[in-house]
Parts: sequence; structure tokens; C-alpha cells
Amino acid sequence: AQKVTQAQTEISVVEKEDVTLDCVYETRDTTYYLFWYKQPPSGELVFLIRRNSFDEQNEISGRYSWNFQKSTSSFNFTITASQVVDSAVYFCALSEAYRDSSYKLIFGSGTRLLVRP
Amino acid sequence: GAVVSQHPSRVICKSGTSVKIECRSLDFQATTMFWYRQFPKQSLMLMATSNEGSKATYEQGVEKDKFLINHASLTLSTLTVTSAHPEDSSFYICSARVPVQGGNQPQHFGDGTRLSIL
Repeated sequence: AQKVTQAQTEISVVEKEDVTLDCVYETRDTTYYLFWYKQPPSGELVFLIRRNSFDEQNEISGRYSWNFQKSTSSFNFTITASQVVDSAVYFCALSEAYRDSSYKLIFGSGTRLLVRP
Repeated sequence: GAVVSQHPSRVICKSGTSVKIECRSLDFQATTMFWYRQFPKQSLMLMATSNEGSKATYEQGVEKDKFLINHASLTLSTLTVTSAHPEDSSFYICSARVPVQGGNQPQHFGDGTRLSIL
């Protein structure tokens, strides 16, 4: 069965610190997709990144970077030089290529990040 | 980018009332939309997959008669919580996937509806 584990429930850092959010997934499929979403206090979900199972290249987007390691089934997210505006709940999610192509998302439990000034 | 609009953003009503929540894709046609439920400080749980022109596919444990889903057009899906009770109070959020060829495109989410049943 597919599963996403975000072991860190809450993380608190001081502004400008680097922080890594962990994500470990389980799936029996060879084709799958991984996502990160940000949910600020206002509630909406903001898409951050999508990665398919055949692309293990790490990605950097500004202060954000992602490390995909198939060998350990992990897709970790690092924020460099964190800012107060980064405070939010971050969700890692897994999607498999179903026969009906519905591509349902399985979410992790989320990590609440608090960046203190 | 793709925009999904959800309305209303907040509902407070008495027990026994039925509540309708709308989810619209504003700049693309969505053959598939998803409805999630999120309790405070918890993750999003998929309730159902809404398919345009056909019946919704409900996840295990979700009452079909309680949570009615209608996807009558390519840009609108509605979730009706029938005879709502306090235990139905939650944050409901919809999403839509842009139907682009070439793999699993990311789902774009509405802003959510906070439902409070008194």
C-alpha cells in the first residue's frame, strides 16, 4: 500500500537558519509522482514541486531545494536562510498512475514550520 | 497559472441544515476534481473523486448519501453536506488537475471552505 511519512510534526527555527523537512514514502509502483505543498495559516494549498520517479535530479528554486533519493524512498525539502513568511504547514504527497488515470494524492501528516524573527 | 475557486470560504449553520460548496476551475476545463477533508492540525484526507458527467468515486468510509457530489460541467463540481451535524464541522478543500498530456500534472487547490455546524 502507498504511504507517506513526515516524521517531524513541528519544527521551530530562528530566521536565517536552514531547515530540512523530511519525507519518506512507500509504494509498490515503479511509476509514481511526488509533490510538496505549502499550507499557510490562511488555509490554501500552494503547489511547490512535482517530481516523477524516473527523475532523481535534485532541484533548486531560489531558497528551496529538494533531494530525491530512490534508494531510501525519501524526498526531502530544504529551505535555506529561512524567513518568517516560510512559516506554514508543509505537506509531502505521493501519486501513482492508476488505471483510470485519476492520480489520487496521498498526503503525509504534514510538518508545521515556525520561523521566529 | 491554473486557478481553482471555491465558494463559500466559511459557513456557519445550524444542525440539520444542508450545505452546498462549489468548486470551479477558472481558466481550464477539469474532467476530474477531488474533494478533501481536513480536521484541525491534521492532514488532508481524500473523500471522493468527482468525474464530469458520471458518478463520483468515494473513498472507503465516506458516506455517499451524506456527501453528495455533482460534476455537471467541465468547470464546476459541487459538494453538498446533507443534514449536517456538528461532527461534520471541518475544513473542506477541492482540487482540480489540469488535463495535460504527458503524465501526472499537479493538482491545484481551492482556498477551502471552513464549515462550522452549531
